[in-house]
Amino acid sequence: NAGVMQNPRHLVRRRGQEARLRCSPMKGHSHVYWYRQLPEEGLKFMVYLQKENIIDESGMPKERFSAEFPKEGPSILRIQQVVRGDSAAYFCASSSSTGPNEQFFGPGTRLTVL
Amino acid sequence: EDQVTQSPEALRLQEGESSSLNCSYTVSGLRGLFWYRQDPGKGPEFLFTLYSAGEEKEKERLKATLTKKESFLHITAPKPEDSATYLCAVEGTSGSRLTFGEGTQLTVNP
Repeated sequence: NAGVMQNPRHLVRRRGQEARLRCSPMKGHSHVYWYRQLPEEGLKFMVYLQKENIIDESGMPKERFSAEFPKEGPSILRIQQVVRGDSAAYFCASSSSTGPNEQFFGPGTRLTVL
Repeated sequence: EDQVTQSPEALRLQEGESSSLNCSYTVSGLRGLFWYRQDPGKGPEFLFTLYSAGEEKEKERLKATLTKKESFLHITAPKPEDSATYLCAVEGTSGSRLTFGEGTQLTVNP
């Protein structure tokens, strides 16, 4: 099954630590999106990347958050100096470069900040 | 700014009791409207894409329809395994990101 893979599935960090979330897109997909789902809220777009390029980061908080999608390897969402408000489920989605923009989601990483 | 509003927030049905979920949207040039299903603790599962008013798509007990301002997800003779949160999202011409509604939590009792 070549679906979207995310790891870790659960991540616990103390305030001030760094969190690194990884996403491998579906086979054949070159577009990656990150979304955040806060408790009792809907999914919110964060960033859209293609290989080695950030296309749209309009939903990304301006400080502490960064994302990359290197030529080789998974996409990484990095949160520096985590705070309790960063506790959420982070989902990665991928789509093909051709055809309709149907985005397929991974199982998510649930980040808990103590 | 693209906006999506789903109603009702929660819906409780008896097995076999058909109903509809609503998704109202405002978007700067609709490229696509998407329906997803999300089970607790899991990622959204893609169901349908609709592109233009009048379009309909079906899958098992689900049928999605689209007008210029809203979409409906019709559930015919639901079963308990249809219980989930159903999410609606739009993609506008402003970019490839999806704007999601807050979902309808559907519970189907046996």
